[in-house]
Amino acid sequence: EPEVTQTPSHQVTQMGQEVILRCVPISNHLYFYWYRQILGQKVEFLVSFYNNEISEKSEIFDDQFSVERPDGSNFTLKIRSTKLEDSAMYFCASTRDRGIGDTQYFGPGTRLTVL
Amino acid sequence: DAKTTQPPSMDCAEGRAANLPCNHSTISGNEYVYWYRQIHSQGPQYIIHGLKNNETNEMASLIITEDRKSSTLILPHATLRDTAVYYCIVRVYSGNTGKLIFGQGTTLQVKP
Repeated sequence: EPEVTQTPSHQVTQMGQEVILRCVPISNHLYFYWYRQILGQKVEFLVSFYNNEISEKSEIFDDQFSVERPDGSNFTLKIRSTKLEDSAMYFCASTRDRGIGDTQYFGPGTRLTVL
Repeated sequence: DAKTTQPPSMDCAEGRAANLPCNHSTISGNEYVYWYRQIHSQGPQYIIHGLKNNETNEMASLIITEDRKSSTLILPHATLRDTAVYYCIVRVYSGNTGKLIFGQGTTLQVKP
């Protein structure tokens, strides 16, 4: 069964450093998402991406964040200058279309630890 | 904010049916109800979704009331591996996206 994959599974970085989180969505999917979950809190939407541009972003997704689909398979989330409060699980998701009733499938997540 | 209300926690005996309720009294006519679960800090796992009619798949059944203001997820024979946080989500479409808005969910503890 096709699945969303994410690398790395765990990333440790120093405050102020740039990190890139990588995702490979399901191959025939067209809509891509990033969510995050701070430890003990609920899953929060960050950004959605379609046709090589951002469709929607949340208040969390400020200028420090960017997303990119550099080739036909990868979807990345970059944090330019990490802060302690960026420590969280980051989940990538994809869906075939945005049609009502379509299903988003999530990856296993990347645990980001900012020291 | 999430458009759903769920009890924060529930227990279920192994082998018995787990019935997880969800209220979504402000749901609109074309909004689907989705159920996901999250085991520990793994990625949310899709379970089932529905609009009006009851739905069943290999994992669970979804019962939606006729007025669509509430629903129940049924795990017919719960196992210890079903211990997880279960999220009932009314999917909101705005602009060109179909983001999922997660609430706190129901923590289901399946006990031997």
